Amino acid sequence: GENVEQHPSTLSVQEGDSAVIKCTYSDSASNYFPWYKQELGKRPQLIIDIRSNVGEKKDQRIAVTLNKTAKHFSLHITETQPEDSAVYFCAASRSFNKFYFGSGTKLNVKP
Amino acid sequence: DSGVTQTPKHLITATGQRVTLRCSPRSGDLSVYWYQQSLDQGLQFLIQYYNGEERAKGNILERFSAQQFPDLHSELNLSSLELGDSALYFCASSWGQGIRDTEAFFGQGTRLTVV
Repeated sequence: GENVEQHPSTLSVQEGDSAVIKCTYSDSASNYFPWYKQELGKRPQLIIDIRSNVGEKKDQRIAVTLNKTAKHFSLHITETQPEDSAVYFCAASRSFNKFYFGSGTKLNVKP
Repeated sequence: DSGVTQTPKHLITATGQRVTLRCSPRSGDLSVYWYQQSLDQGLQFLIQYYNGEERAKGNILERFSAQQFPDLHSELNLSSLELGDSALYFCASSWGQGIRDTEAFFGQGTRLTVV
Protein backbone atom coordinates (compact mmCIF):
# COMPACT_ATOMS: atom_id res chain seq x y z
CA GLY A 1 0.00 0.00 0.00
CA GLU A 2 0.89 3.66 -0.05
CA ASN A 3 3.23 5.12 2.54
CA VAL A 4 3.32 8.89 2.97
CA GLU A 5 6.06 10.48 5.04
CA GLN A 6 5.90 14.10 6.11
CA HIS A 7 8.59 16.41 7.49
CA PRO A 8 9.12 18.27 9.68
CA SER A 9 6.78 17.26 12.46
CA THR A 10 6.95 20.75 13.96
CA LEU A 11 7.90 24.03 12.36
CA SER A 12 8.23 27.40 14.01
CA VAL A 13 8.63 30.53 11.90
CA GLN A 14 8.49 34.25 12.45
CA GLU A 15 5.51 36.12 11.05
CA GLY A 16 6.27 37.17 7.49
CA ASP A 17 8.74 34.36 6.85
CA SER A 18 8.11 31.43 4.54
CA ALA A 19 7.29 27.88 5.62
CA VAL A 20 7.96 24.72 3.66
CA ILE A 21 6.57 21.28 4.44
CA LYS A 22 7.70 18.23 2.50
CA CYS A 23 6.12 14.86 1.82
CA THR A 24 7.25 11.73 0.04
CA TYR A 25 5.08 8.90 -1.19
CA SER A 26 5.79 5.34 -2.23
CA ASP A 27 3.09 4.36 -4.72
CA SER A 28 4.01 5.60 -8.18
CA ALA A 29 0.37 5.16 -9.20
CA SER A 30 -0.78 7.88 -6.81
CA ASN A 31 -2.12 10.76 -8.85
CA TYR A 32 -3.81 13.18 -6.49
CA PHE A 33 -2.08 15.05 -3.66
CA PRO A 34 -4.19 17.26 -1.41
CA TRP A 35 -3.06 19.33 1.54
CA TYR A 36 -5.29 19.80 4.57
CA LYS A 37 -5.14 22.31 7.39
CA GLN A 38 -6.47 21.35 10.79
CA GLU A 39 -6.93 24.01 13.41
CA LEU A 40 -7.09 22.95 17.03
CA GLY A 41 -10.24 20.96 17.75
CA LYS A 42 -11.56 21.34 14.22
CA ARG A 43 -11.91 19.16 11.16
CA PRO A 44 -9.25 19.00 8.46
CA GLN A 45 -10.01 21.32 5.58
CA LEU A 46 -8.58 21.23 2.10
CA ILE A 47 -6.36 24.21 1.33
CA ILE A 48 -4.80 23.20 -1.97
CA ASP A 49 -4.34 20.13 -4.10
CA ILE A 50 -2.34 19.04 -7.10
CA ARG A 51 -2.78 16.34 -9.67
CA SER A 52 -0.05 14.25 -11.19
CA ASN A 53 -0.21 15.98 -14.55
CA VAL A 54 0.81 19.29 -12.99
CA GLY A 55 4.15 20.25 -11.50
CA GLU A 56 3.16 23.33 -9.54
CA LYS A 57 0.02 25.08 -8.38
CA LYS A 58 -0.37 28.37 -6.59
CA ASP A 59 -3.21 30.00 -4.71
CA GLN A 60 -2.35 33.39 -3.22
CA ARG A 61 0.18 32.78 -0.44
CA ILE A 62 0.22 29.02 -0.73
CA ALA A 63 1.76 26.84 -3.42
CA VAL A 64 2.37 23.17 -3.93
CA THR A 65 5.05 21.53 -6.06
CA LEU A 66 5.16 17.95 -7.23
CA ASN A 67 8.13 15.92 -8.43
CA LYS A 68 6.74 12.68 -9.78
CA THR A 69 10.13 11.22 -10.58
CA ALA A 70 11.36 11.65 -7.02
CA LYS A 71 7.89 10.98 -5.59
CA HIS A 72 7.80 14.00 -3.39
CA PHE A 73 5.63 17.08 -3.07
CA SER A 74 5.88 20.18 -0.97
CA LEU A 75 3.69 22.91 0.49
CA HIS A 76 5.02 26.43 0.49
CA ILE A 77 3.44 29.21 2.54
CA THR A 78 4.81 32.70 1.99
CA GLU A 79 4.36 35.79 4.17
CA THR A 80 3.12 33.65 7.03
CA GLN A 81 0.56 35.07 9.44
CA PRO A 82 -0.40 33.96 12.98
CA GLU A 83 -3.66 32.54 11.61
CA ASP A 84 -1.60 30.10 9.54
CA SER A 85 -0.72 28.34 12.80
CA ALA A 86 -2.27 24.86 12.59
CA VAL A 87 -1.45 21.27 11.80
CA TYR A 88 -0.97 20.60 8.11
CA PHE A 89 -1.45 17.18 6.57
CA CYS A 90 -0.39 16.02 3.15
CA ALA A 91 -2.09 13.09 1.48
CA ALA A 92 -1.71 10.88 -1.55
CA SER A 93 -4.44 9.10 -3.39
CA ARG A 94 -4.83 6.91 -6.42
CA SER A 95 -7.88 8.01 -8.39
CA PHE A 96 -9.49 9.55 -5.30
CA ASN A 97 -9.63 6.27 -3.44
CA LYS A 98 -8.12 5.61 -0.06
CA PHE A 99 -6.50 8.88 0.85
CA TYR A 100 -3.29 8.16 2.76
CA PHE A 101 -2.23 10.97 5.07
CA GLY A 102 1.16 12.02 6.31
CA SER A 103 1.74 12.29 10.04
CA GLY A 104 1.17 16.04 10.10
CA THR A 105 3.27 19.16 10.64
CA LYS A 106 2.47 21.51 13.49
CA LEU A 107 3.19 25.00 12.22
CA ASN A 108 3.62 27.79 14.72
CA VAL A 109 3.83 31.33 13.38
CA LYS A 110 5.23 33.68 15.98
CA PRO A 111 3.99 37.27 15.87
CA ASP B 1 -19.90 23.68 7.13
CA SER B 2 -18.57 20.88 4.90
CA GLY B 3 -21.97 19.22 4.49
CA VAL B 4 -20.71 16.02 6.14
CA THR B 5 -22.57 15.33 9.38
CA GLN B 6 -21.27 13.14 12.14
CA THR B 7 -23.13 12.09 15.27
CA PRO B 8 -22.64 12.08 18.13
CA LYS B 9 -20.03 14.82 18.62
CA HIS B 10 -18.87 13.37 21.91
CA LEU B 11 -19.16 9.90 23.36
CA ILE B 12 -17.96 8.60 26.70
CA THR B 13 -18.19 4.89 27.36
CA ALA B 14 -16.63 2.16 29.45
CA THR B 15 -14.11 -0.46 28.42
CA GLY B 16 -15.65 -3.55 26.90
CA GLN B 17 -18.64 -1.67 25.55
CA ARG B 18 -19.78 -1.23 21.96
CA VAL B 19 -20.62 2.05 20.23
CA THR B 20 -21.85 3.13 16.83
CA LEU B 21 -20.69 6.30 15.11
CA ARG B 22 -22.79 7.71 12.32
CA CYS B 23 -21.88 9.71 9.25
CA SER B 24 -24.07 11.38 6.65
CA PRO B 25 -22.06 12.31 3.55
CA ARG B 26 -22.52 15.43 1.48
CA SER B 27 -25.46 15.32 -0.86
CA GLY B 28 -24.40 13.49 -4.03
CA ASP B 29 -21.22 11.99 -2.60
CA LEU B 30 -20.99 8.24 -3.04
CA SER B 31 -17.77 7.56 -1.20
CA VAL B 32 -17.33 7.58 2.58
CA TYR B 33 -14.02 7.26 4.41
CA TRP B 34 -13.40 6.69 8.10
CA TYR B 35 -10.27 7.93 9.86
CA GLN B 36 -9.00 7.64 13.40
CA GLN B 37 -6.97 10.46 14.92
CA SER B 38 -5.45 9.73 18.29
CA LEU B 39 -4.10 12.52 20.51
CA ASP B 40 -1.40 14.47 18.67
CA GLN B 41 -1.36 11.85 15.95
CA GLY B 42 -2.03 11.88 12.24
CA LEU B 43 -5.05 10.61 10.40
CA GLN B 44 -5.10 6.83 10.21
CA PHE B 45 -7.22 5.48 7.38
CA LEU B 46 -9.64 2.83 8.56
CA ILE B 47 -11.99 1.96 5.74
CA GLN B 48 -13.71 3.31 2.63
CA TYR B 49 -17.14 2.55 1.22
CA TYR B 50 -18.37 3.43 -2.22
CA ASN B 51 -22.07 3.28 -3.07
CA GLY B 52 -22.76 0.70 -0.40
CA GLU B 53 -19.77 -1.53 -0.98
CA GLU B 54 -16.47 -1.75 0.82
CA ARG B 55 -13.79 -0.38 -1.50
CA ALA B 56 -10.64 -0.15 0.57
CA LYS B 57 -9.43 -1.18 3.96
CA GLY B 58 -6.69 0.33 6.03
CA ASN B 59 -5.48 -0.38 9.55
CA ILE B 60 -8.87 -1.28 10.92
CA LEU B 61 -9.01 -3.61 13.90
CA GLU B 62 -11.14 -6.73 13.76
CA ARG B 63 -13.15 -5.30 16.66
CA PHE B 64 -14.20 -2.49 14.36
CA SER B 65 -16.62 -2.78 11.46
CA ALA B 66 -18.45 -0.42 9.19
CA GLN B 67 -21.18 -0.36 6.63
CA GLN B 68 -22.78 2.03 4.18
CA PHE B 69 -26.53 1.94 3.79
CA PRO B 70 -28.69 2.42 0.67
CA ASP B 71 -29.24 6.07 1.58
CA LEU B 72 -25.40 6.35 1.62
CA HIS B 73 -25.03 7.16 5.28
CA SER B 74 -22.40 5.10 7.03
CA GLU B 75 -21.91 3.68 10.48
CA LEU B 76 -18.68 2.68 12.20
CA ASN B 77 -19.14 0.08 14.91
CA LEU B 78 -16.51 -0.23 17.60
CA SER B 79 -16.79 -3.16 20.00
CA SER B 80 -14.94 -4.54 23.01
CA LEU B 81 -13.62 -1.05 23.52
CA GLU B 82 -10.22 -0.48 25.07
CA LEU B 83 -8.68 2.63 26.58
CA GLY B 84 -6.47 2.94 23.54
CA ASP B 85 -9.49 3.34 21.29
CA SER B 86 -10.04 6.81 22.69
CA ALA B 87 -9.61 9.12 19.73
CA LEU B 88 -11.27 11.51 17.34
CA TYR B 89 -13.01 9.60 14.57
CA PHE B 90 -13.50 11.48 11.33
CA CYS B 91 -15.72 10.66 8.44
CA ALA B 92 -15.04 12.16 5.03
CA SER B 93 -16.97 11.96 1.79
CA SER B 94 -16.26 12.53 -1.86
CA TRP B 95 -18.00 11.89 -5.13
CA GLY B 96 -15.55 9.04 -5.44
CA GLN B 97 -15.96 8.04 -9.05
CA GLY B 98 -12.27 8.40 -9.78
CA ILE B 99 -12.89 10.00 -13.14
CA ARG B 100 -13.99 13.33 -11.81
CA ASP B 101 -11.83 15.53 -9.66
CA THR B 102 -13.31 15.91 -6.23
CA GLU B 103 -11.79 16.44 -2.85
CA ALA B 104 -12.64 14.64 0.34
CA PHE B 105 -14.70 16.74 2.74
CA PHE B 106 -14.40 16.01 6.43
CA GLY B 107 -17.08 16.00 9.07
CA GLN B 108 -16.52 17.60 12.46
CA GLY B 109 -15.56 14.29 14.01
CA THR B 110 -16.77 12.22 16.94
CA ARG B 111 -14.62 12.36 20.04
CA LEU B 112 -14.70 8.97 21.72
CA THR B 113 -13.46 8.64 25.27
CA VAL B 114 -13.17 5.17 26.75
CA VAL B 115 -12.92 5.11 30.53
